[in-house]
Amino acid sequence: EDKVVQSPLSLVVHEGDTVTLNCSYEVTNFRSLLWYKQEKKAPTFLFMLTSSGIEKKSGRLSSILDKKELFSILNITATQTGDSAIYLCAANNAGNMLTFGGGTRLMVKP
Amino acid sequence: EAGVAQSPRYKIIEKRQSVAFWCNPISGHATLYWYQQILGQGPKLLIQFQNNGVVDDSQLPKDRFSAERLKGVDSTLKIQPAKLEDSAVYLCASSLVWLGTEAFFGQGTRLTVV
Repeated sequence: EDKVVQSPLSLVVHEGDTVTLNCSYEVTNFRSLLWYKQEKKAPTFLFMLTSSGIEKKSGRLSSILDKKELFSILNITATQTGDSAIYLCAANNAGNMLTFGGGTRLMVKP
Repeated sequence: EAGVAQSPRYKIIEKRQSVAFWCNPISGHATLYWYQQILGQGPKLLIQFQNNGVVDDSQLPKDRFSAERLKGVDSTLKIQPAKLEDSAVYLCASSLVWLGTEAFFGQGTRLTVV
């Protein structure tokens, strides 16, 4: 059974801090790893990673995948209160099926 | 580009009643997913369609849940009869048929069973 585990479960930081969110996976016929941000109901897409070692960057957010060790990290630098959300990672297999982790709840205090 | 549309946004029903949710995916997206997200947990896949065929429904409680996507476009998810533990947000998502592409989510339906 495919499995995705995220850590930490929750995190409280102050504005300006840097955070690192972790995602490990065990997926048969792995194709890609995706990160989503969930503020209210619908997760919104952040990154899709398919190749090991290539960092993807969008503003203050960046992510990298290690296909040998089966994990990914999401970094957020200079955090802002608007970054407060649940961050979900999901692994995509050859059948285009997404398995989600339980999420990391990030709270950024002013 | 129009997003994934879901309705209703909220629904409150009594246990043992039935309920149906509707989803219209992004135009051209062959893959459609229904997820159940219980408070404090990540989304759990209930069923995955490829066009109008079911790819995976191994986690769908088939004694009470059913889903269809008759014309390969929009889809309905039904619960009959509902239980208290079915209270959750039901998310619909769609993606292109190509492998590894991102999924786009609808706003979800928050179901409360009392």
